[in-house]
Amino acid sequence: DSGVTQTPKHLITATGQRVTLRCSPRSGDLSVYWYQQSLDQGLQFLIQYYNGEERAKGNILERFSAQQFPDLHSELNLSSLELGDSALYFCASSGLAKNIQYFGAGTRLSVL
Amino acid sequence: SQQGEEDPQALSIQEGENATMNCSYKTSINNLQWYRQNSGRGLVHLILIRSNEREKHSGRLRVTLDTSKKSSSLLITASRAADTASYFCATAGGQETSGSRLTFGEGTQLTVNP
Repeated sequence: DSGVTQTPKHLITATGQRVTLRCSPRSGDLSVYWYQQSLDQGLQFLIQYYNGEERAKGNILERFSAQQFPDLHSELNLSSLELGDSALYFCASSGLAKNIQYFGAGTRLSVL
Repeated sequence: SQQGEEDPQALSIQEGENATMNCSYKTSINNLQWYRQNSGRGLVHLILIRSNEREKHSGRLRVTLDTSKKSSSLLITASRAADTASYFCATAGGQETSGSRLTFGEGTQLTVNP
């Protein structure tokens, strides 16, 4: 168990809908990262938050947004969903050992 | 976009044999890491090697790094059926105090047959 909790584990929704993925980092970790894993794109970095502030942005679509709350949990919001958004979404956190990231079990999103 | 390529894409060996996976990357790095992923689950950190290191060991794992060739290899010795998983290399570029994004390779699917 990595200590990173992601909910829900599975999400099935329709095109055009909006969903929220939630992540609780390891206790004390200030950095949270979101990654997307799909068959065609592989594992891609989306966005990083550090202690509530956005720190780095990757290939994140404008339809996607994220935030980190004062209790350090993070949410990834995906809107106007398309079939191609179907993927595994991972959250990771890092703390004192800043280079090592601990991954949650992921949320599997299926857009039908 | 992916940092680089891993090779082979798939590797099938017998228990007890050694498994070697290679990774190439494109940009300068601060460190390179290897992660393991069991079928559709979360990634687990295995080992980290810094850009000024050439070789590192951890248990049955041995990692080498050649920054002049922008390549790394992961050797798993005396493999076990439980080592069956996908293995990813990941590079981190900066020395951010808040941590750095990871750029992943395409992964090698390792199957260890009992």
